[in-house]
Amino acid sequence: GQQVMQIPQYQHVQEGEDFTTYCNSSTTLSNIQWYKQRPGGHPVFLIQLVKSGEVKKQKRLTFQFGEAKKNSSLHITATQTTDVGTYFCAGGRGNKLVFGAGTILRVKS
Amino acid sequence: DVKVTQSSRYLVKRTGEKVFLECVQDMDHENMFWYRQDPGLGLRLIYFSYDVKMKEKGDIPEGYSVSREKKERFSLILESASTNQTSMYLCASVLHIGVTAFFGQGTRLTVV
Repeated sequence: GQQVMQIPQYQHVQEGEDFTTYCNSSTTLSNIQWYKQRPGGHPVFLIQLVKSGEVKKQKRLTFQFGEAKKNSSLHITATQTTDVGTYFCAGGRGNKLVFGAGTILRVKS
Repeated sequence: DVKVTQSSRYLVKRTGEKVFLECVQDMDHENMFWYRQDPGLGLRLIYFSYDVKMKEKGDIPEGYSVSREKKERFSLILESASTNQTSMYLCASVLHIGVTAFFGQGTRLTVV
């Protein structure tokens, strides 16, 4: 079954509000990746985190990897309509690349 | 840029038909994956392959098989399509685990 849990499943925000999605694994991950899938599109790589406690930023997006390398978060500051889509986390375990169920973000203008 | 190409964007098949979904990547990647994407369930791993002729079951392999005769091509086979296999199928290719995965555009399969 799903080995990487992601919450929330769905979030609807007003443009300008912040948004956060969380990813949790029952086991330690070697790395965590984040992908964005626009409506009608396919997942596209955003970023990878490797080190314990790592924090990376891409403009309004902030990515964190937990100290125990079992959880991660993606935070978007001041959402825009261009942020709509589904955000997935993915963890490497052996030869597998396992994805979370994704968080669907809708932004009201 | 890596290109991952899936043979069809949309497919409609009848129950009981044998269905082949093809995926080709052009960057000599070792690892290839097949996922299905359903609302509320995210991306679920069906099968993956880490080398030619090597394959491993993912989380939901029942009703599917795969073939990897050449490094660049990874095929997903539905031996006898059923309506519960109606879904979006996504192929991904990775040089090795720990670097970026590249996805194909997806195949939306409808089984009637």
